[in-house]
Amino acid sequence: KAGVTQTPRYLIKTRGQQVTLSCSPISGHRSVSWYQQTPGQGLQFLFEYFSETQRNKGNFPGRFSGRQFSNSRSEMNVSTLELGDSALYLCASSLGTGITDTQYFGPGTRLTVL
Amino acid sequence: GEDVEQSLFLSVREGDSSVINCTYTDSSSTYLYWYKQEPGAGLQLLTYIFSNMDMKQDQRLTVLLNKKDKHLSLRIADTQTGDSAIYFCAESIDNQGGKLIFGQGTELSVKP
Repeated sequence: KAGVTQTPRYLIKTRGQQVTLSCSPISGHRSVSWYQQTPGQGLQFLFEYFSETQRNKGNFPGRFSGRQFSNSRSEMNVSTLELGDSALYLCASSLGTGITDTQYFGPGTRLTVL
Repeated sequence: GEDVEQSLFLSVREGDSSVINCTYTDSSSTYLYWYKQEPGAGLQLLTYIFSNMDMKQDQRLTVLLNKKDKHLSLRIADTQTGDSAIYFCAESIDNQGGKLIFGQGTELSVKP
């Protein structure tokens, strides 16, 4: 079974721009969660989508948004980029049936904001 | 509140056992996980334990859970240089679906 895939793997943007990251979950998985990883803050939960609906949300500003499509693929958007948005963005997929779900992570998208 | 703490560094010799420790604060934690991250890579799930268990063994990995002290440990037997990586413990919280709370990660260095 193919794992979680994320595109692009690397991205360079400038302040003020916007960016869209994509995540394709493992086949059959209906939940996709997004995390931001930085050296200073570590791994922080952004949001989770299940069946095209946001089910859970972390403490990030409204510039961070996401969506999920009917095939469970998810996109994350960051508008008006700031230098502090430079990070590794990881997505994870799971069956989404409850708290016992195991989350499997993709390789991440490395975003650099100049 | 939700908080997970880990020591930042651990150095061991090849062939020795490694023990990575983690403490968590949320008593409603249901599952606790160990993930491994190698440079430039995502997170690889190593193992997990349900909060009503005390111990789980999976080949070279042993997870011990002390619910009273909210302490979790990961023991790697016969540590190899390929085990060098950052290890994260994470907890999942009741009623919060896919949200995982991660520790800061422990960087394991294995010397030949």
